[in-house]
Amino acid sequence: GESVGLHLPTLSVQEGDNSIINCAYSNSASDYFIWYKQESGKGPQFIIDIRSNMDKRQGQRVTVLLNKTVKHLSLQIAATQPGDSAVYFCAENIWGNTPLVFGKGTRLSVIA
Amino acid sequence: ETGVTQTPRHLVMGMTNKKSLKCEQHLGHNAMYWYKQSAKKPLELMFVYSLEERVENNSVPSRFSPECPNSSHLFLHLHTLQPEDSALYLCASSQEPTGQKLFFGSGTQLSVL
Repeated sequence: GESVGLHLPTLSVQEGDNSIINCAYSNSASDYFIWYKQESGKGPQFIIDIRSNMDKRQGQRVTVLLNKTVKHLSLQIAATQPGDSAVYFCAENIWGNTPLVFGKGTRLSVIA
Repeated sequence: ETGVTQTPRHLVMGMTNKKSLKCEQHLGHNAMYWYKQSAKKPLELMFVYSLEERVENNSVPSRFSPECPNSSHLFLHLHTLQPEDSALYLCASSQEPTGQKLFFGSGTQLSVL
């Protein structure tokens, strides 16, 4: 069935550089998207979300971009820090209708 | 802390044992969830409860039995599990059962021998 997936399973970046984590989704009806961060030994933690009526949303050091034309979602982390090392998941659903569907996750490793 | 507490953090059990996982949320949410997280697989939704009523059961084997006595507590009763059931079991809560902005606990790492 349709599901959310990730382009790359692992990503290594130098400390201080910007990170970009990508996500593709196949359900064109999805209108809500969310990013989670999961550190070792912990459950996923909410980072940022975006509705389909927006194409960009910024948080603290993070930006989510949504391209509905190609069904692509990305998470940008500015000035990546060692504490950003974790697995990042994207998830999507139809607002108010279906539970979240999660992608497989991308492991981000920050090189000091 | 996310406001969702799971116990125990680690559990080792034999295939003939019966055990229970516990989850408690302190966020005043109306919906609670059980997810299974296996290595290299996406998070798999198992059960959804809304206002203590089960609203979704994603074809989970009957050896997993959920219980939601009130909106703050959720249990997962386990019996006659298989080694392939070894995984991280995550509890989550949200304001509404459609799952926006889930708040997760730290999970129970389950090993079935």
